[in-house]
Amino acid sequence: AQSVTQLDSQVPVFEEAPVELRCNYSSSVSVYLFWYVQYPNQGLQLLLKYLSGSTLVESINGFEAEFNKSQTSFHLRKPSVHISDTAEYFCAVSNTNFGNEKLTFGTGTRLTIIP
Amino acid sequence: DTGVSQNPRHKITKRGQNVTFRCDPISEHNRLYWYRQTLGQGPEFLTYFQNEAQLEKSRLLSDRFSAERPKGSFSTLEIQRTEQGDSAMYLCASSLSRQRGYGYTFGSGTRLTVV
Repeated sequence: AQSVTQLDSQVPVFEEAPVELRCNYSSSVSVYLFWYVQYPNQGLQLLLKYLSGSTLVESINGFEAEFNKSQTSFHLRKPSVHISDTAEYFCAVSNTNFGNEKLTFGTGTRLTIIP
Repeated sequence: DTGVSQNPRHKITKRGQNVTFRCDPISEHNRLYWYRQTLGQGPEFLTYFQNEAQLEKSRLLSDRFSAERPKGSFSTLEIQRTEQGDSAMYLCASSLSRQRGYGYTFGSGTRLTVV
């Protein structure tokens, strides 16, 4: 079984300040790791993913996440946030070994940018 | 490529009524997933199709729920004798099996309110 923990349900941040959204996972098998973003009244969009290789992965809009196997973490960071980053962010895992790529999600972190 | 389309966007129904939702995946995607998202929670896996075959169902999917994917194209999710606890956002996603680990494309969801 797999589980994902996002300890911070809400994170308020001033515009242009840095932010870190925390994600820890538990799994008995190797996993792929994902961050999805959900803007108000929209579906989930893939923000970035870790499959293998370099443990630091980046998105096109300035977010990055680092896979830390020893700490079973995949925290999301951005050095300077913008109003448009206001959204809910979900961390998710799927196993690498089985046919079904079922995702297990965390409970989400609502990022609010303060002007 | 118009993405994953879900209809209707919103559905309000009386307790005890039957409802049906439709999902049109990206045309070349052979995998289709249904998830349910309740307030304050991350999406939870319901069921998964590869082509027309339903390969896995979650224990969350009670006997009142049925999903189909005739001809391996669009999918429908039916809930019979709706209950207030069925109120949630129902999300559909699709992917291509040979692009394992690349993540899904989600639709915008159908929000069900049972009154």
